[in-house]
Amino acid sequence: AQKITQTQPGMFVQEKEAVTLDCTYDTSDPSYGLFWYKQPSSGEMIFLIYQGSYDQQNATEGRYSLNFQKARKSANLVISASQLGDSAMYFCAMVLQGGSEKLVFGKGTKLTVNP
Amino acid sequence: GAGVSQSPSNKVTEKGKDVELRCDPISGHTALYWYRQSLGQGLEFLIYFQGNSAPDKSGLPSDRFSAERTGGSVSTLTIQRTQQEDSAVYLCASSLGRRVSGANVLTFGAGSRLTVL
Repeated sequence: AQKITQTQPGMFVQEKEAVTLDCTYDTSDPSYGLFWYKQPSSGEMIFLIYQGSYDQQNATEGRYSLNFQKARKSANLVISASQLGDSAMYFCAMVLQGGSEKLVFGKGTKLTVNP
Repeated sequence: GAGVSQSPSNKVTEKGKDVELRCDPISGHTALYWYRQSLGQGLEFLIYFQGNSAPDKSGLPSDRFSAERTGGSVSTLTIQRTQQEDSAVYLCASSLGRRVSGANVLTFGAGSRLTVL
């Protein structure tokens, strides 16, 4: 089984600054994948970034990067140069590869970018 | 189709009635997922299909909930004798193949908002 914990219900950041959204996970399985999704107020789920448990380097996608610390079982999302459009809910999720292919989500963090 | 299509987008029903929610995945996607999102909460896994079979239905909250998928495409989630606690947004997602990864991510539909009065 897998578990995802997001301890920050809400975060605030000034436009153009960087922000880190925390995610910790719990599994004894050695093969897994970690995802971040964005959910704007319109409700759609938008895939942002992926990190595999065997990936040697931290994933990056444009302004998004994933700070993967395997020993600490953390997979924090870093958003650089925040924009007003980044205001949304952010969900961390995990899949156990080789087991059930279900994606298990954390409770989310609401990010507000202030002008 | 171009994206995951869900219908209806909104459904208001009375307690005790049955409802059906439909999901039409991206063409060629063999995996299909149902999730439930209550107001202000995270996504709760309900069931996962690979083709027409459901290897994991561990998230269905009670025997009032059932889902089927036919022809490896469209899926229907049925809630019988609805209760007020069933009120939520029901999200469907699909993916290309068996192994979820960065190259095979879940693509979500816009959801079906269910309100049980």
